[in-house]
Amino acid sequence: ELKVEQNPLFLSMQEGKNYTIYCNYSTTSDRLYWYRQDPGKSLESLFVLLSNGAVKQEGRLMASLDTKARLSTLHITAAVHDLSATYFCAAVSGNTPLVFGKGTRLSVIA
Amino acid sequence: EAGVVQSPRYKIIEKKQPVAFWCNPISGHNTLYWYLQNLGQGPELLIRYENEEAVDDSQLPKDRFSAERLKGVDSTLKIQPAELGDSAVYLCASSSRLSSFNNEQFFGPGTRLTVL
Repeated sequence: ELKVEQNPLFLSMQEGKNYTIYCNYSTTSDRLYWYRQDPGKSLESLFVLLSNGAVKQEGRLMASLDTKARLSTLHITAAVHDLSATYFCAAVSGNTPLVFGKGTRLSVIA
Repeated sequence: EAGVVQSPRYKIIEKKQPVAFWCNPISGHNTLYWYLQNLGQGPELLIRYENEEAVDDSQLPKDRFSAERLKGVDSTLKIQPAELGDSAVYLCASSSRLSSFNNEQFFGPGTRLTVL
């Protein structure tokens, strides 16, 4: 059974600092996704990672995938307040449904 | 391009009452999903449709939950009767065969259900 664990679940960071959110999954996964969710809003797709060593960057966010370690990371560079949200990773294996982690609630403070 | 539309956005009902949620996926998306999201948790799949056919409903509590997607476009999710534990956000998502390689799903804003 595919399980996805994120850590930390809560993260308070100062503006301008760097930090990394970790996403571990329990079995072989074909694809790894990162989503952002603002309070009361829909999930917004950030990245889709398809292969070992994949790295994608958008603005201050960079996601990477290590399939051997069954680990994906979401790195935040020089955080700004607008990045405050909940970030979810999700994995899928074959025809299994998308399995989400519990999310990381990020607060960026001045 | 319009995104996934859901209604209502909020619903408050008393326990044992019925409730229904509606979803209109992105135009041309053949796959539709209903998810349940409890507070502080990630979404969990309830049911997945490929066109009109429910291809994965193993997580749908069939004693009180039902869903339909009659013409392969809009979908409704119904709960009858609702219980206190059903309070949650119900998310609808859709995806297209054209993006089937990466199976990217696009989510609606959700319906927040409160059962009193």
